[in-house]
Amino acid sequence: GNSVTQMEGPVTLSEEAFLTINCTYTATGYPSLFWYVQYPGEGLQLLLKATKADDKGSNKGFEATYRKETTSFHLEKGSVQVSDSAVYFCALEGSNYKLTFGKGTLLTVNP
Amino acid sequence: GAVVSQHPSWVICKSGTSVKIECRSLDFQATTMFWYRQFPKQSLMLMATSNEGSKATYEQGVEKDKFLINHASLTLSTLTVTSAHPEDSSFYICSGDSQYEQYFGPGTRLTVT
Repeated sequence: GNSVTQMEGPVTLSEEAFLTINCTYTATGYPSLFWYVQYPGEGLQLLLKATKADDKGSNKGFEATYRKETTSFHLEKGSVQVSDSAVYFCALEGSNYKLTFGKGTLLTVNP
Repeated sequence: GAVVSQHPSWVICKSGTSVKIECRSLDFQATTMFWYRQFPKQSLMLMATSNEGSKATYEQGVEKDKFLINHASLTLSTLTVTSAHPEDSSFYICSGDSQYEQYFGPGTRLTVT
């Protein structure tokens, strides 16, 4: 079956530091890949997505590239802000639009 | 973006009672809604997929008689946890599908004592 493995947290960074959260997946076929973000007290929000190999999703300074050869979709941001503090989930979309999630990574950015 | 609400946001109930959780799409119509369950420090696990006007499709291992899902309209789906037990304590999250993107509710924390 499908599965997503992402870097265990928590991750604590200082403002303006570089962020990488690793995500790898196992799936049949060529799924779409997503990063979701969950701010405290809120529902998950789509951060970015990529639908095919070598696609790069980007939003709010975050980027992730769909790497078929390494089955990875690592999330990166060059300079994090305090407001980026949240839980980040990597996910893939299988058949019937069903999402499979990783365990989530808590990011805390200190001023 | 599209907004999904859940009610209640948290609930405490006694073992053996039933609890209903509502999921509403506030500004869009959701033909399909999904229900997830999340344990502490675990990923969201899909429980079931519901389509408006038809029976829900449950994932393997999810007891359909325990977790009753009703999707009576394009803006409302309900999850009823029947005869709840402490092991049902969890965080329940719904999402609605709009134009092939899922929009998530903020979740409902259920504690069964």
